[in-house]
Amino acid sequence: QLVLTQSPSASASLGASVRLTCTLSSGHSTYAIAWHQQQPDKGPRYLMKLYSDGSHNKGDDIPDRFSGSSSGAERYLTISSLQSEDEADYYCQTWGSGTWVFGGGTKLTVL
Amino acid sequence: QVQLQESGPGLVKPSETLSLTCTVSGGSISSYHWSWIRQPPGKGLEWIGHIYYTGTTNYNPSLKSRLTISADTSKNQFSLKLSSVTAADTAVYYCARHEVGSYGVFDYWGQGTLVTVSS
Repeated sequence: QLVLTQSPSASASLGASVRLTCTLSSGHSTYAIAWHQQQPDKGPRYLMKLYSDGSHNKGDDIPDRFSGSSSGAERYLTISSLQSEDEADYYCQTWGSGTWVFGGGTKLTVL
Repeated sequence: QVQLQESGPGLVKPSETLSLTCTVSGGSISSYHWSWIRQPPGKGLEWIGHIYYTGTTNYNPSLKSRLTISADTSKNQFSLKLSSVTAADTAVYYCARHEVGSYGVFDYWGQGTLVTVSS
């Protein structure tokens, strides 16, 4: 079964960097994923598509501070030079066999 | 730039049918895939179902028996009908466009509309 696992929460200081993790279920380690950002009381916003080799394609107007990388079944979203507006929920998402799946989301707090 | 806007009743009675429409502007629904996604209050995102403009659909197995998604290319819209709703269907409902090509990721989202199921 295709499942994405995310830590429920993360925190980092203003101006620092943070790396969020999304783990693909067994047997799906080669799958590409997408990262989406949801700021408080807003709809989700597409950040990037991230492949198993770490290459990624960003959405429109996504700052260079956002980057992606991969290792095995893990997909990472790194946000550098954290700003207050980066405080949000971050969801990973993937697809396969006519179904689309979201991770449970990580709530990022900027201290 | 493509924009998506959800519309429909904000309140639906239990056992009735929830109906929503997504109107697409700034581009045609033709040649793209589209999905409905929902988010219960305080919870995460759940994919509901997908449609290609030709009418081909895929549904979340947990909702399949109650779900119908359709598209109207003449109006540049696609719609959701969810029957026999209960309080568990209370959520913000989003429509989203799939990227061109692999259509694996959602690259544009609507702002969402809250639907409350209550008598």
